[in-house]
Amino acid sequence: SQTIHQWPATLVQPVGSPLSLECTVEGTSNPNLYWYRQAAGRGLQLLFYSVGIGQISSEVPQNLSASRPQDRQFILSSKKLLLSDSGFYLCAWRRPSSYNSPLHFGNGTRLTVT
Amino acid sequence: DAKTTQPNSMESNEEEPVHLPCNHSTISGTDYIHWYRQLPSQGPEYVIHGLTSNVNNRMASLAIAEDRKSSTLILHRATLRDAAVYYCIRDYGGGATNKLIFGTGTLLAVQP
Repeated sequence: SQTIHQWPATLVQPVGSPLSLECTVEGTSNPNLYWYRQAAGRGLQLLFYSVGIGQISSEVPQNLSASRPQDRQFILSSKKLLLSDSGFYLCAWRRPSSYNSPLHFGNGTRLTVT
Repeated sequence: DAKTTQPNSMESNEEEPVHLPCNHSTISGTDYIHWYRQLPSQGPEYVIHGLTSNVNNRMASLAIAEDRKSSTLILHRATLRDAAVYYCIRDYGGGATNKLIFGTGTLLAVQP
């Protein structure tokens, strides 16, 4: 069976510090991978998605970047965090090249920038 | 526009059926409709999806209008554990894009 791991679960970082959130998927090959962010009391905002190694599409220009160094690894980064980067970050995957398959989410990382 | 329109909130009583509506008037012929739900402090959970025909699974039923411009998620007997935010999502574009855009969803409250 497929599983998705996301860490850390919670993170408190000062403004201006770097960020690295990691997501890995097990039990599947060449998944489509996604990063979403959810601000407090808001819906989910799609940040990045990837259909393969090294292929990253950005939905919202901002202070964040994403990378996919391996097939089942997706990393969200920032060089300098802003207060507005606080939120609940969710990684998700789905089967490749198919819009008839569910999206599977990790448990999320709650980031507080102070 | 890949967005859908849902009521901000709804309320139901335990053990009663719940009908959660969603409008997707600009949907394309090959776009699927997905439903997810999110409990507090958790990632969204897949509920059901469909294209044209009504769909049933162990969690819920999905009724899609004949013109596909709207759909309804049906919870047959609401329980307290069904209290969550429910998202209706148009699966926007197949092929290389494969992205799902979430709206603000419907907050379902279930009263005992």
